[in-house]
Amino acid sequence: NAGVIQTPRHKVTGKGQEATLWCEPISGHSAVFWYRQTIVQGLEFLTYFRNQAPIDDSGMPKERFSAQMPNQSHSTLKIQSTQPQDSAVYLCASSLVWGGTETLYFGSGTRLTVL
Amino acid sequence: GDQVKQSPSALSLQEGTNSALRCNFSIATTTVQWFLQNPRGSLMNLFYLVPGTKENGRLKSTFNSKESYSTLHIRDAQLEDSGTYFCAAEPGANTGKLTFGHGTILRVHP
Repeated sequence: NAGVIQTPRHKVTGKGQEATLWCEPISGHSAVFWYRQTIVQGLEFLTYFRNQAPIDDSGMPKERFSAQMPNQSHSTLKIQSTQPQDSAVYLCASSLVWGGTETLYFGSGTRLTVL
Repeated sequence: GDQVKQSPSALSLQEGTNSALRCNFSIATTTVQWFLQNPRGSLMNLFYLVPGTKENGRLKSTFNSKESYSTLHIRDAQLEDSGTYFCAAEPGANTGKLTFGHGTILRVHP
């Protein structure tokens, strides 16, 4: 079990460019989450899929951010026209969702730096 | 104000000693999870809690839903326990949406 895999580990973009972040959940896990971590705001919920369907995107900035889960083996987070304030570590997590528990298993994150 | 308030914000422990971390919740909380983030940034799940207590090796955690707090006890602290400990509250069963505290930075020294 390789755990949750996130790529790339680091991404540097120029202001206004697009960034796509990838996440491969643990095989068999039916829930996928995206969180963002900054020094000022800490860990913030962005969005959540269950069985590939979007369930809650209340944490997503309404403009420029979108997330998809086209199949059960990967999810993407896309940020259009990146801004310096988007710089953060973006964390993906998955959970089994069986027996009523949602223990989250996190990937190592993608550190996004917008210049 | 903070919906999940962790204390202390930082802690230094001598190897072999015991301590406790605490989270107070000002939001409805059904379940609690505790995580350890190591210096490389990886978040490792320590406990998933419904109201009650769980124990795993030198770690023990309690979630008291009536008084809206959770504690994490570390016994016989080791150097590898160093890192940042986060608690997170889930407002309803199986919502999947966690609200995190700002963390407790723990340093264990010889």
